[in-house]
Amino acid sequence: AQSVTQLGSHVSVSEGALVLLRCNYSSSVPPYLFWYVQYPNQGLQLLLKYTSAATLVKGINGFEAEFKKSETSFHLTKPSAHMSDAAEYFCAVSVLYNFNKFYFGSGTKLNVKP
Amino acid sequence: DTGVSQDPRHKITKRGQNVTFRCDPISEHNRLYWYRQTLGQGPEFLTYFQNEAQLEKSRLLSDRFSAERPKGSFSTLEIQRTEQGDSAMYLCASSLGVTSTDTQYFGPGTRLTVL
Repeated sequence: AQSVTQLGSHVSVSEGALVLLRCNYSSSVPPYLFWYVQYPNQGLQLLLKYTSAATLVKGINGFEAEFKKSETSFHLTKPSAHMSDAAEYFCAVSVLYNFNKFYFGSGTKLNVKP
Repeated sequence: DTGVSQDPRHKITKRGQNVTFRCDPISEHNRLYWYRQTLGQGPEFLTYFQNEAQLEKSRLLSDRFSAERPKGSFSTLEIQRTEQGDSAMYLCASSLGVTSTDTQYFGPGTRLTVL
């Protein structure tokens, strides 16, 4: 079975500071990993995904994530937070031969302080 | 590409009533998914269609829930005899292709409140 744990339901950073949102996965087979962002009253939007190619994945809006198999992690980072980054972020895992069924973490709400 | 649309965006109903939600996927996407998202949680898988065939249903989908995707285009999710525990955001997503790495594109969701 697959699962995702997102440590920290709320993260607060100052504008311009480093953003680090944590995601750890559990999977008995090689995983595919995704980060989505959800703004209020909007659907989930894909930020980036890991599909077993490069372990460092760059996404939209300056976000990137690194797949670390030894740590079963896929943390999301951004060097400098903008006010517009305030949203809820979800990590998800899917696996081969499971028809692209996603297992989501419980989400992390990012607050950006001026 | 107009994105995934869902209707209605909000639904308030009384316990015991039936409700139906509609999802229009991105044109030509052959896969369609329904998820449920409760407060403070991530989306949970409910069911999935490949074209018009419903290929998997979660145990979360009790016999009060039914989903259809006639002709492999739009999909409907019906909840009969609603209960307060059904209050949640119902999300629809679609994807093109048949691999586990395909991006799922999500609609804005239908927020259901059962009084």
